[in-house]
Amino acid sequence: AQKVTQAQTEISVVEKEDVTLDCVYETRDTTYYLFWYKQPPSGELVFLIRRNSFDEQNEISGRYSWNFQKSTSSFNFTITASQVVDSAVYFCALSEGSNQFYFGTGTSLTVIP
Amino acid sequence: DAGVTQSPTHLIKTRGQHVTLRCSPISGHKSVSWYQQVLGQGPQFIFQYYEKEERGRGNFPDRFSARQFPNYSSELNVNALLLGDSALYLCASSPMAETQYFGPGTRLLVL
Repeated sequence: AQKVTQAQTEISVVEKEDVTLDCVYETRDTTYYLFWYKQPPSGELVFLIRRNSFDEQNEISGRYSWNFQKSTSSFNFTITASQVVDSAVYFCALSEGSNQFYFGTGTSLTVIP
Repeated sequence: DAGVTQSPTHLIKTRGQHVTLRCSPISGHKSVSWYQQVLGQGPQFIFQYYEKEERGRGNFPDRFSARQFPNYSSELNVNALLLGDSALYLCASSPMAETQYFGPGTRLLVL
């Protein structure tokens, strides 16, 4: 079974629209970490955010915000006022403390100017 | 500070050959992990090393091996290459646990 599910394979939005990328995870551990990474065409995974399982406080960083809900095992990512530079593949990942990361299959975001 | 570096950036091999990929972690990071990313998929965990010891291994055949050196750099070796080994190989480093920082990857093409 997939530990991390990103149901949205591809999303296209027009510049300045808001977009939410969904992530659902599965774990039996009580201590775990959730991550979002951005992968531009160059291929390098860029770290965006880490959340631990005990901190359900939502976080905002500029145009980015994250909504962590343990009740629904979701860790969604919203980009406000999207820009062309936001076009990339976004990965959600889970770490259960063994340091092994389980990645979702990614959501390819295209922002149309 | 320099990020994670990987070499080579691109590599073309033929079936049956052997390949060695190299990774230098961020200064001060003692853990290195390797991932395989096939086109259109998320990265799949191969190995993790911490303080030169293997701490985790993903579901990959024994053709895949790795090691970590005293300076914390790492090598990933793949023997008897198959067409299906064509992928982007990513190295990530971390201080001990938690956040992993990724390098630019090595694109391997097996013909």
